[in-house]
Amino acid sequence: GAVVSQHPSRVICKSGTSVKIECRSLDFQATTMFWYRQFPKQSLMLMATSNEGSKATYEQGVEKDKFLINHASLTLSTLTVTSAHPEDSSFYICSARDPVGGGNEQYFGPGTRLTVT
Amino acid sequence: AQSVTQPDIHITVSEGASLELRCNYSYGATPYLFWYVQSPGQGLQLLLKYFSGDTLVQGIKGFEAEFKRSQSSFNLRKPSVHWSDAAEYFCAVDSGGGADGLTFGKGTHLIIQP
Repeated sequence: GAVVSQHPSRVICKSGTSVKIECRSLDFQATTMFWYRQFPKQSLMLMATSNEGSKATYEQGVEKDKFLINHASLTLSTLTVTSAHPEDSSFYICSARDPVGGGNEQYFGPGTRLTVT
Repeated sequence: AQSVTQPDIHITVSEGASLELRCNYSYGATPYLFWYVQSPGQGLQLLLKYFSGDTLVQGIKGFEAEFKRSQSSFNLRKPSVHWSDAAEYFCAVDSGGGADGLTFGKGTHLIIQP
């Protein structure tokens, strides 16, 4: 089956620094990837939709200058949290859509736990 | 915009008992529907999905769900729960045919009593 990986699985950074999270589709090419954020004991909220070769589409309320998304290849999307602050601490999960496999299902990565101190 | 309601925040079930987790959605047409399970600190695992066809969908780990258009519901069921089923369960919808991100319900925390 389709596999999506994320790296790193956990990261701790200091306030004011930037952190990059990678999302890779390992055995398929993903024209579309999605980034979600999950705060403790809450649901997943869609942050942005990332299409290969074009600018990401951000959900209302998500700062595009703070959460930089790059989808430079069909197997890799990156999320960079710039000038991170403690309130950005969260669980970030990506998903990828396999267009060949019907395109109706998203495959989720294992998530990245970000802690900003 | 679509929305998903999981009315039960917590549910406690005895091991071996049956389980039903409720999910209602709000959308003009029939969306794609999903149930995911998440263990603490882990990612999401897809239990089952409904796109079209037979309204009773079988999933992994002995779970099933039934799509009821008249009630805008997609409830998850299992005839006999195991202690390992304790986790967070999320219902999600996709109204964009795969082009849009998923809208998740707030989740139901399942507790299994011995």
